[in-house]
Amino acid sequence: DAKTTQPPSMDCAEGRAANLPCNHSTISGNEYVYWYRQIHSQGPQYIIHGLKNNETNEMASLIITEDRKSSTLILPHATLRDTAVYYCIVLRDSNYQLIWGAGTKLIIKP
Amino acid sequence: ETGVTQTPRHLVMGMTNKKSLKCEQHLGHNAMYWYKQSAKKPLELMFVYNFKEQTENNSVPSRFSPECPNSSHLFLHLHTLQPEDSALYLCASSLSGGAAEQYFGPGTRLTVT
Repeated sequence: DAKTTQPPSMDCAEGRAANLPCNHSTISGNEYVYWYRQIHSQGPQYIIHGLKNNETNEMASLIITEDRKSSTLILPHATLRDTAVYYCIVLRDSNYQLIWGAGTKLIIKP
Repeated sequence: ETGVTQTPRHLVMGMTNKKSLKCEQHLGHNAMYWYKQSAKKPLELMFVYNFKEQTENNSVPSRFSPECPNSSHLFLHLHTLQPEDSALYLCASSLSGGAAEQYFGPGTRLTVT
């Protein structure tokens, strides 16, 4: 499965959109991009996933570039409760072996 | 509330004790997982069960013994643990065994003294 690169940390003001980037330049055609987050001392939480089209759900939007080598998770109106470590994971849809990197620590500031 | 519950939330045990962690999912899923998260380390997959059958054992020491009596319940039996086994133990479930969309419980914070 393809490796991912994320910035170690980011800040965002409360109420603004938080845009979290992820590079996955070695992604294969049958690999999906998954996003999870982990709030301190809690279990990880599934956010969203996509293959090539942009996706949106009640939590976030996922924008995948046309060449699929990078993606951006967008939290449209960040709140203090969105402070967490965000993980971008790339793998085949039939593969349950999530490989967890260091993720991006997102801090939402009042 | 993710639909996956874990008990106890915190556990302190000595190296000679025997204890069990319990996980229950209320999502109608067929696959369940145990993960370990040590301080400042990524999550590590330990065991996978699909339709009550163990399909993955990621070279986990035998002092950790999983049990899956049905698709809704998962246990992790612990005995003769070491201090380095202190960690957050997380349970997750997914609709099927090949799914990366997994739903996690809150975890059990285990301290081995």
